[in-house]
Amino acid sequence: DIVMTQSPDSLAVSLGERATINCKSSQNVFYNSNNKNYFAWYQQKPGQAPKLLIYWASTRESGVPDRFSGSGSGTDFTLTISSLQAEDVAVYYCQQYYSTPPTFGQGTKVEIK
Amino acid sequence: EVQLVESGGGLVQPGGSLRLSCVASGFTFSDFWMTWVRQAPGKGLEWVAYVKQDGREKSYVDSVKGRFTISRDNARNSLYLQMNGLRVEDTAVYYCARDAAAHNLFDYWGQGTLVTVSS
Repeated sequence: DIVMTQSPDSLAVSLGERATINCKSSQNVFYNSNNKNYFAWYQQKPGQAPKLLIYWASTRESGVPDRFSGSGSGTDFTLTISSLQAEDVAVYYCQQYYSTPPTFGQGTKVEIK
Repeated sequence: EVQLVESGGGLVQPGGSLRLSCVASGFTFSDFWMTWVRQAPGKGLEWVAYVKQDGREKSYVDSVKGRFTISRDNARNSLYLQMNGLRVEDTAVYYCARDAAAHNLFDYWGQGTLVTVSS
């Protein structure tokens, strides 16, 4: 199974400042035949179900604000929130869907400083 | 509007059984793989199982193989998870999710149903 490791486990950022979350996969999740990284980010607010934010490593899901961006390729990926808003307080999970079983990172809790 | 509504959770003793259901609306259910993902209290997300469109091809996480069975009824727009031989470590919120691209990418999730395994 592919192991996904996020860092940090938690971070506190001031409103309007940048938040950066990293995720490392134990195996390459880039598929050469279609040039795609089988990698996604989810947001889970307290008491809610997860919500898909970004897929193919950098494509924002419809309706996701453009302050959220994803980058990276192969085994190393980053989620950036360019200007943190109060409603962004949540736990963020990375996930690979390159192989079965799909696996998630342990989560990163984002709070307001 | 896509909606997924789970039901069937509850308190069960170790070794017991439970059947979860998920009713889908707002999309053509038979066109999509469907999945169960669980989350133990205060913990992260764990994929449990998927079933492809026609219900024949299925896959499970190793920890539930032989105990859980995923199924679907496309005529009823419904997804199921039959859970037998439940263990304390199966305690979790179970989410039903739609697979966006037949590749274990989950674009819509239900609100979840809590399964508690305890004596």
